[in-house]
Amino acid sequence: NAGVTQTPKFQVLKTGQSMTLQCAQDMNHNSMYWYRQDPGMGLRLIYYSASEGTTDKGEVPNGYNVSRLNKREFSLRLESAAPSQTSVYFCASREPGQGAYEQYFGPGTRLTVT
Amino acid sequence: AQKITQTQPGMFVQEKEAVTLDCTYDTSDQSYGLFWYKQPSSGEMIFLIYQGSYDEQNATEGRYSLNFQKARKSANLVISASQLGDSAMYFCAMRGPGGYQKVTFGTGTKLQVIP
Repeated sequence: NAGVTQTPKFQVLKTGQSMTLQCAQDMNHNSMYWYRQDPGMGLRLIYYSASEGTTDKGEVPNGYNVSRLNKREFSLRLESAAPSQTSVYFCASREPGQGAYEQYFGPGTRLTVT
Repeated sequence: AQKITQTQPGMFVQEKEAVTLDCTYDTSDQSYGLFWYKQPSSGEMIFLIYQGSYDEQNATEGRYSLNFQKARKSANLVISASQLGDSAMYFCAMRGPGGYQKVTFGTGTKLQVIP
């Protein structure tokens, strides 16, 4: 099993450009999440999808959109990138109801907006 | 609203010694859970340990234990017999109640193990 995969691993964008970060999991999890990690700020939730067909805003959703394409895939779109969106982006998944409530994380995408 | 506070930006520990990483939390929920994750320099997030708010005993996983003091709203991570491979960022996190279970992270503590 690959677990949670993210593409691309690195990306440089110019201000105003758009792009989509891809995330897929092969663990048959219902819930998926997008976080951003900035220096000194830990991880902050951007959007989440509690189950296929549903999405909702997290702590810092402005400037982002998401699509839960199917149970496996959850994409994050930046419509018009800004330097403030320079960050490392993590996708995660989990199965609600299982005892440890652990989230499984992807390897991250390092995004730089110039 | 949930809040996690990690007041130690960085810590040093001698190899083979034990170390405690502090975490305090704030929530008005009765049902919640606390996690610790490790992030090595390679960047991946590694789950270490979980404690539910109704669990009466402190969680342990190998060399990791979670010192849960509910009245003081603290959930400190204790690493026994530190190893060089323990050098990493450590994040405390909390989940709220409900099926969605939003997770809030602290700002992290950078642990460096000295030979």
